[in-house]
Amino acid sequence: GEDVEQSLFLSVREGDSSVINCTYTDSSSTYLYWYKQEPGAGLQLLTYIFSNMDMKQDQRLTVLLNKKDKHLSLRIADTQTGDSAIYFCAESKNQAGTALIFGKGTTLSVSS
Amino acid sequence: GAVVSQHPSWVICKSGTSVKIECRSLDFQATTMFWYRQFPKQSLMLMATSNEGSKATYEQGVEKDKFLINHASLTLSTLTVTSAHPEDSSFYICSASSGDETQYFGPGTRLLVL
Repeated sequence: GEDVEQSLFLSVREGDSSVINCTYTDSSSTYLYWYKQEPGAGLQLLTYIFSNMDMKQDQRLTVLLNKKDKHLSLRIADTQTGDSAIYFCAESKNQAGTALIFGKGTTLSVSS
Repeated sequence: GAVVSQHPSWVICKSGTSVKIECRSLDFQATTMFWYRQFPKQSLMLMATSNEGSKATYEQGVEKDKFLINHASLTLSTLTVTSAHPEDSSFYICSASSGDETQYFGPGTRLLVL
């Protein structure tokens, strides 16, 4: 099966909160990442969390990590139309500086 | 923040020709660079890991003779798609790491092989 799984699509209204979920299988993952990709563009690092942390907050973004269940979530508060993009969850296999394993991405659609 | 550039941003070529894609870290030294490939509506798949001054490590199923990778300096890695065919058409993205937990991605190169 896939190493990293995400739901493929999420639709929210502007101003609501968005929660994008991700599950991973490798318990040795050290870092978990959230990237944003706008149409035709590369990846923008949004935030990352070290595996010994439970939560990380950065402005409108909140990352929650449940290491026991290998579940990662990204919450975007006060979602805006500019947040519409594909969001990729990724894990770093062994240590910093190693290649990332990506999920298939969640397309977030924000309607006004 | 750290910036990674790719050149060209898009390229169209005839089948059988070779195409070189450059990946540069503009304001930091990248000890490791990664090359990914992304098909439409798919995730990024790692092709190879490139360390400066040594041979690249290719993922299973990636032909090293077809996708030539050179990492000659701490700020530049190149990917050459040799004898390109239509099935090589894809979005190629590089990333660079200075060895810490953060990878910085380039904007990607869209390759179309006719």
